[in-house]
Amino acid sequence: KQEVTQIPAALSVPEGENLVLNCSFTDSAIYNLQWFRQDPGKGLTSLLLIQSSQREQTSGRLNASLDKSSGRSTLYIAASQPGDSATYLCAAAGYSTLTFGKGTMLLVSP
Amino acid sequence: DAGVIQSPRHEVTEMGQEVTLRCKPISGHDYLFWYRQTMMRGLELLIYFNNNVPIDDSGMPEDRFSAKMPNASFSTLKIQPSEPRDSAVYFCASSFRGSLLSGNTIYFGEGSWLTVV
Repeated sequence: KQEVTQIPAALSVPEGENLVLNCSFTDSAIYNLQWFRQDPGKGLTSLLLIQSSQREQTSGRLNASLDKSSGRSTLYIAASQPGDSATYLCAAAGYSTLTFGKGTMLLVSP
Repeated sequence: DAGVIQSPRHEVTEMGQEVTLRCKPISGHDYLFWYRQTMMRGLELLIYFNNNVPIDDSGMPEDRFSAKMPNASFSTLKIQPSEPRDSAVYFCASSFRGSLLSGNTIYFGEGSWLTVV
């Protein structure tokens, strides 16, 4: 059974810092790895999706990497802004389902 | 498109009562997922449908939970009788061709916040 772990559980940084969120998964037989953002009281919004054959994906200030063999993914956020404050979840895709980590709660202070 | 629509957004009910959560997926999507989110366990997949047919309900915690999808534009998740430990946020999500394999992501509703007292 796939298990996904995210470290740290919470992170507080000042505006402008670059930061890295970590995600690990136990079963490397994944089809893709996805990163989501969740704002308080809201649903999840997809940020980046990395196919199993890819090493990284970029969208604006976000860069996600994937190392299937070691069961790890990272989400890099450059020049963080207060608007980036949210919970970030990673999810490993099996055949038809996503297994989620519990998320990293990020607070970016002005 | 309005996205995945869930109702009610918030519900407070007494233990033992029946709870029905509703979901309207994005038009054209053929996969529908029900997830439950708690602080302790995070996001858990309860059940998913393909073309209105339940495919995997192994995540449904017990017989008190049931889900239906009578047509492509509507699904319900029912809890009967409800218990305090069912308090959680229940998310509905939908996907086109459910193609996690090909990289299509899934789209989440804003959740139904259930409190059972």
